[in-house]
Amino acid sequence: NAGVTQTPKFQVLKTGQSMTLQCAQDMNHEYMSWYRQDPGMGLRLIHYSVGAGITDQGEVPNGYNVSRSTTEDFPLRLLSAAPSQTSVYFCASSYVGTGMEKLFFGSGTQLSVL
Amino acid sequence: DAKTTQPPSMDCAEGRAANLPCNHSTISGNEYVYWYRQIHSQGPQYIIHGLKNNETNEMASLIITEDRKSSTLILPHATLRDTAVYYCIVRVAAGNKLVFGAGTILRVKS
Repeated sequence: NAGVTQTPKFQVLKTGQSMTLQCAQDMNHEYMSWYRQDPGMGLRLIHYSVGAGITDQGEVPNGYNVSRSTTEDFPLRLLSAAPSQTSVYFCASSYVGTGMEKLFFGSGTQLSVL
Repeated sequence: DAKTTQPPSMDCAEGRAANLPCNHSTISGNEYVYWYRQIHSQGPQYIIHGLKNNETNEMASLIITEDRKSSTLILPHATLRDTAVYYCIVRVAAGNKLVFGAGTILRVKS
């Protein structure tokens, strides 16, 4: 029972580099989302998707791109990494139904941008 | 979604009940109260949710006041493993987005 799997667990980038954080879930959840968490703060929503081919912006979308070509995968792309994007990134998924469904979170990716 | 207010930190003795308060005075009639917790840099974990009735599951109880402007999460017998940041969130039933605040750091002490 894998649940929500995020890779890599740790990543160090140089300013200006691009990379993709991977998120996969095996629960057939329609809803997937990305959060970032800065030290001592709560989670902030970056982007989310309610199904394949559908994405939308959250609170802090600038500097990030997403796409949802399959139900299982929801990658997060950093186009040109900046030190301000140093953070821990969490992916989460749930069913879309009555709206009371609980979110399942991955274990996170710790990203440092130098 | 309505905004929530939680104390920044609380202490609790091991084996005692931990009562975590949350104010959500601007909550709307169709907004649910959710609780999640985050144990030291792990991904948040769902605990419980409710609309207006009190709820109980294997992890905790949720008490919502009659006017729905505040709620309390109760961990009946706190253990050291319950030390975590607890987030109270309100959101409409029609959306899956969760907006996290700063939460309450609960420290369970032996």
